[in-house]
Amino acid sequence: AQSVSQHNHHVILSEAASLELGCNYSYGGTVNLFWYVQYPGQHLQLLLKYFSGDPLVKGIKGFEAEFIKSKFSFNLRKPSVQWSDTAEYFCAVKATTSGTYKYIFGTGTRLKVLA
Amino acid sequence: EPEVTQTPSHQVTQMGQEVILRCVPISNHLYFYWYRQILGQKVEFLVSFYNNEISEKSEIFDDQFSVERPDGSNFTLKIRSTKLEDSAMYFCASSREQVDGYTFGSGTRLTVV
Repeated sequence: AQSVSQHNHHVILSEAASLELGCNYSYGGTVNLFWYVQYPGQHLQLLLKYFSGDPLVKGIKGFEAEFIKSKFSFNLRKPSVQWSDTAEYFCAVKATTSGTYKYIFGTGTRLKVLA
Repeated sequence: EPEVTQTPSHQVTQMGQEVILRCVPISNHLYFYWYRQILGQKVEFLVSFYNNEISEKSEIFDDQFSVERPDGSNFTLKIRSTKLEDSAMYFCASSREQVDGYTFGSGTRLTVV
């Protein structure tokens, strides 16, 4: 069965530290990959997405993610985090199976940035 | 920027009562979805809707759930007889194409007491 794993459940960083959140998926076919962010008390917002082409995708707010097909990974990165990046981050994979789409979320990584 | 709007933002209901959660997707979007997030848990897919019918549903979406697009703008989720375990944040989402990233609404927090 398809699955999405986010291994870091809680991450605490100081401002200006670099961030990398892991995301691995299990599916051998064509996938579209997404990162969403959920700020406290708010709804999910799309950070970035990968469909095809350059595996290094740049999103909003200085985030980027790299698709490594051989590792089934789509890790989220930011060179220097800010206090306002405190939020929960969800990786999501859209996979096709027999013409239907499945959209699966990871369990989320809760990031806390200390001022 | 266009938004998906959901009402109400909070709903408290007694166990066994029916609730209707409302969503107004982005006007030129064709695909509509409901997800839920039980507190502290991951976001779970409930149902997708296209061309006025359900295109996919999860095992969570049993007979107590139904969806409707009654008037071409609203997209509703009805829970017929609520249970305590239905307490969750319910998110509506829409997309223009099936492969697009979704635009999510701000959610309805449902509390069943």
